[in-house]
Amino acid sequence: GEDVEQSLFLSVREGDSSVINCTYTDSSSTYLYWYKQEPGAGLQLLTYIFSNMDMKQDQRLTVLLNKKDKHLSLRIADTQTGDSAIYFCAESDQAGTALIFGKGTTLSVSS
Amino acid sequence: DTEVTQTPKHLVMGMTNKKSLKCEQHMGHRAMYWYKQKAKKPPELMFVYSYEKLSINESVPSRFSPECPNSSLLNLHLHALQPEDSALYLCASSSEGAMNQPQHFGDGTRLSIL
Repeated sequence: GEDVEQSLFLSVREGDSSVINCTYTDSSSTYLYWYKQEPGAGLQLLTYIFSNMDMKQDQRLTVLLNKKDKHLSLRIADTQTGDSAIYFCAESDQAGTALIFGKGTTLSVSS
Repeated sequence: DTEVTQTPKHLVMGMTNKKSLKCEQHMGHRAMYWYKQKAKKPPELMFVYSYEKLSINESVPSRFSPECPNSSLLNLHLHALQPEDSALYLCASSSEGAMNQPQHFGDGTRLSIL
């Protein structure tokens, strides 16, 4: 079945780059997503990449997709304390309706 | 700011109460979703509505009853809940039905069952 794996924790210093990694199993996913969840809040759609792309850049965020290895990464440049949150990687299920989430990576940024 | 609005933000209810969670979006999306999220876990899909018709029910107990009165509104009616139902309930929406479109989430309703 479909599965999404992520490392659980990442700790960086303010100003450094953060790289959050994700592996997925369903190669038929049309889009792959990154969501951010701050404490006590809902999920914010941070960015997403179409499956026929290798890279997408949006200001401080860079998404890299390696379809051969089914590996997705999110790089946050110049990480700030406001970036501290849980980051969920997600793909669409085979029917294209439900999202399959990873367990989430808790990013901790120290000043 | 989220474009999916959920009310109330917090709800405390007893196991014999009946209450409803509400979700509203004005993005013209035609698919709406309910998810349940326990602490430190990813969201789990409960229901999907596509063009105001229930298309997916992920084997959710009947004490949860969804309703989609129109394309902008989604309700979740609660009755005789159990303490293990305490969680964050998230609503989401996506455009053009439910196929492979990015889902936008609300801030959720934090539900506590006494």
